[in-house]
Amino acid sequence: DAGITQSPRHKVTETGTPVTLRCHQTENHRYMYWYRQDPGHGLRLIHYSYGVKDTDKGEVSDGYSVSRSKTEDFLLTLESATSSQTSVYFCAIRAGTSGYEQYFGPGTRLTVT
Amino acid sequence: GESVGLHLPTLSVQEGDNSIINCAYSNSASDYFIWYKQESGKGPQFIIDIRSNMDKRQGQRVTVLLNKTVKHLSLQIAATQPGDSAVYFCAENIPTGFQKLVFGTGTRLLVSP
Repeated sequence: DAGITQSPRHKVTETGTPVTLRCHQTENHRYMYWYRQDPGHGLRLIHYSYGVKDTDKGEVSDGYSVSRSKTEDFLLTLESATSSQTSVYFCAIRAGTSGYEQYFGPGTRLTVT
Repeated sequence: GESVGLHLPTLSVQEGDNSIINCAYSNSASDYFIWYKQESGKGPQFIIDIRSNMDKRQGQRVTVLLNKTVKHLSLQIAATQPGDSAVYFCAENIPTGFQKLVFGTGTRLLVSP
């Protein structure tokens, strides 16, 4: 499982509330990613990080922000949750011999009511 | 996990059969490909990868074939088992300024005993 944990695993929240999802890794990987997974779409990149305090936007970053103050933690924040952000969120790290392999955490199912 | 598979193409096979799952990728410049397996309620699991300078790569019970002429990738699973039941999707690496994996929507594999 590449030593990746995500918390919470499930969350229900109301429209307009802020929400923070946490990704924690234990193997000191430099690159970390946040994706969302929705029916009819492949995994879509929200934000990624290439080091402590180094982050950048992915293809669906609107309404999301991230922070990485420590190598092991990558936080995803929904500033003001909307129903369109109901999704399953996955964190990933880059590892492996190819330099391109990504390994995923178990996911967080978020429902915005 | 469960909601991802709602409208996916499905391949149904009998235990012991060989399975072939196909993927059409989008970018002729893609230089690396990964197959993932995703069981219901879990994160994607890395199965096997292949670089664009290869046509075939074999793992344990799995083989990936790459046809760059028609931008087609396939995953062959030998002697399919009930535990192979899952959603399988491919990912391609598009060589932009940073590593960007683009994910397919997947195929559901159902293995009957």
